[in-house]
Amino acid sequence: DIQMTQSPSSLSASVGDRVTITCRASQSISSFLNWYQQKPGKAPKLLIYAASSLQSGVPSRFSGGGSGTDFTLTISSLQPEDFATYYCQQSYSTPVTFGQGTRLEIK
Amino acid sequence: EVQLVESGGGLVKPGGSLRLSCAASGFTFSTYSMNWVRQAPGKGLEWVSSISSSSRYISYADSMKGRFTISRDNAKNSLYLQMNSLRADDTAVYYCARGKSGGDYVHAYWGQGTLVTVSS
Repeated sequence: DIQMTQSPSSLSASVGDRVTITCRASQSISSFLNWYQQKPGKAPKLLIYAASSLQSGVPSRFSGGGSGTDFTLTISSLQPEDFATYYCQQSYSTPVTFGQGTRLEIK
Repeated sequence: EVQLVESGGGLVKPGGSLRLSCAASGFTFSTYSMNWVRQAPGKGLEWVSSISSSSRYISYADSMKGRFTISRDNAKNSLYLQMNSLRADDTAVYYCARGKSGGDYVHAYWGQGTLVTVSS
């Protein structure tokens, strides 16, 4: 199985900050990497697919990068509604696997 | 508008069975792969199973193989998850999710989830 490791596990930041979350795969997954945002009590929401493609309706302050084993999710200027938990997911092969999550909190 | 509505969750005893359903609308159900993903209380996301648009390709997480069965009825725009031999660690919110394109594992749309509690 492909293991996905996110860092950091939690992060405190302020509105307006630039934030980067990283995700590492245990083997190459090309660009089959997706990012999701989840708020408490809600279903996850797809933000980025294929490592760097922005899902329709997602603000352009979100961006993704990387390929192979190392990936990033960057929020260019944090907004109050961005405080949530973020998950990476590999869709290269089954079993599909998620990272453990990064909880983004208000400083 | 894409809508996915799960149902069938509830309280079940260890060793029991439950069948989850997911009613889909707002898109051509028969042309998309579908998935189940679960989340234990306070924990992260865990992929459960996927089924291709025609049901030809089915896959499961190892811990669910032999106990869970995914299926779909394209005529009824519905996805199902039959769960047998349930254990306490199956307690979770179960989400159905639609693939982004015809046959991928990108979970582009999610339902609101249904809670399954396995407890005596």
